[in-house]
Amino acid sequence: EAGVTQSPTHLIKTRGQQATLRCSPISGHTSVYWYQQALGLGLQFLLWYDEGEERNRGNFPPRFSGRQFPNYSSELNVNALELEDSALYLCASSLEAGDGYTFGSGTRLTVV
Amino acid sequence: QKEVEQNSGPLSVPEGAIASLNCTYSDRGSQSFFWYRQYSGKSPELIMSIYSNGDKEDGRFTAQLNKASQYVSLLIRDSQPSDSATYLCAERSGGSYIPTFGRGTSLIVHP
Repeated sequence: EAGVTQSPTHLIKTRGQQATLRCSPISGHTSVYWYQQALGLGLQFLLWYDEGEERNRGNFPPRFSGRQFPNYSSELNVNALELEDSALYLCASSLEAGDGYTFGSGTRLTVV
Repeated sequence: QKEVEQNSGPLSVPEGAIASLNCTYSDRGSQSFFWYRQYSGKSPELIMSIYSNGDKEDGRFTAQLNKASQYVSLLIRDSQPSDSATYLCAERSGGSYIPTFGRGTSLIVHP
């Protein structure tokens, strides 16, 4: 069974640009979660999608947005990139909301 | 605001010893608790879930939950150098589907 897949593995962007990160959950999982892991700050919750709808949002500005497609894959968009957006972005999925997560390998975003 | 506290470490133990990792949480409504292992440069991996008071064992790992004292711990028996990683504690209250993560404890198992 394929795990959670994320692409790209690494992404380098210039301040002010937009970044798009992609995630495919485990087959059969309908919930997708996005987290930011910046150095020294731990895992910060960004967004939760389930059945194509945004169900919850963390304490991040609106320039962090996303969507979930009919096949349950998901996309995270970060607009107007700032240097402090440099972090590891992790996608996770779960069979049911509230279950433990299976994480993808992450996208390392570097803003220069 | 919900908080999950972990000692950042590093916790250093010799190979073969028991490693004890602790976590306290602030939300008395917390119902689900999770331990994740994260190797350096990798993503977290779920190793244990616990939902009721007491102990839950899985191989060399034992999770212990005490809701009255609001702590959860992870014991790793017969620690191996391959257990060297950061261990993240997370809790989820009944009113939310989103867990709160601690910042993790770094464990070093030396030969």
